[in-house]
Amino acid sequence: GAGVSQSPRYKVAKRGQDVALRCDPISGHVSLFWYQQALGQGPEFLTYFQNEAQLDKSGLPSDRFFAERPEGSVSTLKIQRTQQEDSAVYLCASSLAQGSLNYGYTFGSGTRLTVV
Amino acid sequence: AQSVSQHNHHVILSEAASLELGCNYSYGGTVNLFWYVQYPGQHLQLLLKYFSGDPLVKGIKGFEAEFIKSKFSFNLRKPSVQWSDTAEYFCAVSPTGTASKLTFGTGTRLQVTL
Repeated sequence: GAGVSQSPRYKVAKRGQDVALRCDPISGHVSLFWYQQALGQGPEFLTYFQNEAQLDKSGLPSDRFFAERPEGSVSTLKIQRTQQEDSAVYLCASSLAQGSLNYGYTFGSGTRLTVV
Repeated sequence: AQSVSQHNHHVILSEAASLELGCNYSYGGTVNLFWYVQYPGQHLQLLLKYFSGDPLVKGIKGFEAEFIKSKFSFNLRKPSVQWSDTAEYFCAVSPTGTASKLTFGTGTRLQVTL
């Protein structure tokens, strides 16, 4: 597609529920990033894929967070046993280049997760 | 680890006023620097970026930024703001030669009044 597509746009989860957030990057983009943006804060890095390989997951806040990109295109961020502190906007970004920012990122509109 | 500080959290300006938003970063090596903008209800968009060369970078919509290495700063400027510039502005940094994850500042909300 023309941009990075994320779904759902909004998700309300009860505490303890598992959620799955989807990211459809721009076709052909090798690099894919997930960020978490809490209210009033800047985005914070969660994890990075180059094709299907997860090269950096240092930003994942706990082992309840898991991301995958099995075929090197669509990615899913899964949060198990959600807690209130997981409430945030989850942003996905993709980039044409590998490990280079010469092309910059294209960000999706994000998924706003609210845990009640 | 790198960090980014944006000291202005909320800025209110009248149309045609000049804008300068501060950004300072902390990192021991060479960096790439970015300004992103998020208009209400929209996704993050790249305004401008600095990789190397001329420290004065021009971006879209009349914005520019100057990299001052000695001050670890990358301030965003615009000579004359418009109402349509109302948005949230994020400064971001990435170490060069890495897998390119960005570290963002907390953002500055700019409100331009008519």
